[in-house]
Amino acid sequence: SAVISQKPSRDICQRGTSLTIQCQVDSQVTMMFWYRQQPGQSLTLIATANQGSEATYESGFVIDKFPISRPNLTFSTLTVSNMSPEDSSIYLCSASRGNTEAFFGQGTRLTVV
Amino acid sequence: KNQVEQSPQSLIILERKNCTLQCNYTVSPFSNLRWYKQDTGRGPVSLTIMTFSENTKSNGRYTATLDADTKQSSLHITASQLSDSASYICVVSAGGNTPLVFGKGTRLSVIA
Repeated sequence: SAVISQKPSRDICQRGTSLTIQCQVDSQVTMMFWYRQQPGQSLTLIATANQGSEATYESGFVIDKFPISRPNLTFSTLTVSNMSPEDSSIYLCSASRGNTEAFFGQGTRLTVV
Repeated sequence: KNQVEQSPQSLIILERKNCTLQCNYTVSPFSNLRWYKQDTGRGPVSLTIMTFSENTKSNGRYTATLDADTKQSSLHITASQLSDSASYICVVSAGGNTPLVFGKGTRLSVIA
């Protein structure tokens, strides 16, 4: 298994500001992902974090709004830029080794006011 | 379109009772199916993962079944405990680097 540490666990931010969420995995993984989860809803994939290159974004998500970095195999960051109340959600980091079990961080509960 | 449908949407049961959650999927190709438990305010935690050739897998009081022909899976919880109160999410993988397909989850409440 893999242990994923995600921080901050929660934050309240002013609209128009940006927040960077960090994700650290305790062992090398192949894939890292960022998800968003609205209250009572399932997980929606934002992007796949690629090591040393630009992330691969899903439809509806763009790099200018959600810049992602992955400088090495075990660390990634997601920035939520120019936040609005509609960005209030839970953001989850996930990691996997190939097509096997996926592991998730504890999530970051973001509230934009 | 790849989809995962779960039922019921929510469920309330008495402590020590059994329950079964359902998952139907249309994901193709199929690589594996996973069940996750997500406590409120936490990230999902894996319960079971099954490939095409597996039709049952247990993890303590949790038993998952898979019928790849009918594209159905179930998660059976035996002798429920208050700590089983959580959302249970069915997730299907098409393999390779394709994104996982998530169900919306079943919200289970176990009451004394």
